[in-house]
Amino acid sequence: AQKITQTQPGMFVQEKEAVTLDCTYDTSDPSYGLFWYKQPSSGEMIFLIYQGSYDQQNATEGRYSLNFQKARKSANLVISASQLGDSAMYFCAMREGRRAGSYQLTFGKGTKLSVIP
Amino acid sequence: DVKVTQSSRYLVKRTGEKVFLECVQDMDHENMFWYRQDPGLGLRLIYFSYDVKMKEKGDIPEGYSVSREKKERFSLILESASTNQTSMYLCASSEQLAAYEQYFGPGTRLTVT
Repeated sequence: AQKITQTQPGMFVQEKEAVTLDCTYDTSDPSYGLFWYKQPSSGEMIFLIYQGSYDQQNATEGRYSLNFQKARKSANLVISASQLGDSAMYFCAMREGRRAGSYQLTFGKGTKLSVIP
Repeated sequence: DVKVTQSSRYLVKRTGEKVFLECVQDMDHENMFWYRQDPGLGLRLIYFSYDVKMKEKGDIPEGYSVSREKKERFSLILESASTNQTSMYLCASSEQLAAYEQYFGPGTRLTVT
């Protein structure tokens, strides 16, 4: 079974509108972390936001917020007031426990977001 | 400023060649990772290292090896390149017990002909 599922291969949003990118996860580890990364066409991976499994409040970073619903095992990314520069691939990732002294990330397959002027 | 660099942005190699992809970080991070990224598959972990000379297999290590002789440098080696290793390769680093983000390099797009 996939550990991270992103069901939207591609999405379109009008400039200045809000958009939600879906992410569901599967883990039996009580301690885990969820991440969102942005990858523009230039290729670099840019960290956006992090949510820990024990965090009581949803994470926010500027225009990015993470809608964390633990019981549903979902960690959707909300981008408010979309800008043309938000057009990119977006990856959801999960960190579970520790292996060989190092935290690893498991990534979803990504969602390509296109912002329309 | 945080920095992870990779030796090449684009690389073209022939089938059967030995290929070295180099990654250097200047953040004194203990952990370093190699991923490959293919359309529709996301990022998949090839190998990681949590200390000098230490390495662990990731999810898809077949056909690859790694070397970490110095803390700041992590090399990915394709002993005999094949066409199915044509891909984008991304290096990342993080602090040892960091529950937080990994820092990524710009990526190397490798084409094997």
